[in-house]
Amino acid sequence: GENVEQHPSTLSVQEGDSAVIKCTYSDSASNYFPWYKQELGKGPQLIIDIRSNVGEKKDQRIAVTLNKTAKHFSLHITETQPEDSAVYFCAASTSPGGYQKVTFGTGTKLQVIP
Amino acid sequence: GAVVSQHPSRVICKSGTSVKIECRSLDFQATTMFWYRQFPKQSLMLMATSNEGSKATYEQGVEKDKFLINHASLTLSTLTVTSAHPEDSSFYICSAKTGFSNYGYTFGSGTRLTVV
Repeated sequence: GENVEQHPSTLSVQEGDSAVIKCTYSDSASNYFPWYKQELGKGPQLIIDIRSNVGEKKDQRIAVTLNKTAKHFSLHITETQPEDSAVYFCAASTSPGGYQKVTFGTGTKLQVIP
Repeated sequence: GAVVSQHPSRVICKSGTSVKIECRSLDFQATTMFWYRQFPKQSLMLMATSNEGSKATYEQGVEKDKFLINHASLTLSTLTVTSAHPEDSSFYICSAKTGFSNYGYTFGSGTRLTVV
């Protein structure tokens, strides 16, 4: 099955600096890569996603890059703010049996220091 | 946008009792819903995939008789933890596939289950 590795597990940055989280996946059939932000005691919220036919996607301060050859993708947050502090999960998705099955990375706890 | 409502948000039950968790898609029809379990400071582990009108598909190692899933309508899936034990205490989260895209998922807010 799919295996998604995520690094680092914790990340502390000063407010205004950039944060980068990296993930690798194992299944070359994966074709959809969402990123989720999870605040304490809440469910994950989708913040950005990328499909396998695209190399980069940006939405304001958040960007995601995908390298299909190397099977890795990254989340970039620029001009970080204290409210960006949360746990971030990457995920990879395939379509076995006609439905999307999502495998999550291990999570990165981001702390933005004011 | 697509909203998934999950209830209850927190529940405490005694060992041996059963607990039902509901997951509703409020403004879209969800033919497929997913149930996850999350331990403290860990990632989400897929437990089962719930398809409307058919039996759920369970991941390897998940006891189907303990974690009963019912997806009786296009807007409601339920997870019942039967004969709960303290080791079943966890954060349970559902997600639903938004119908217009093969790629979109929306998560519920999660249910914190504590078995005492």
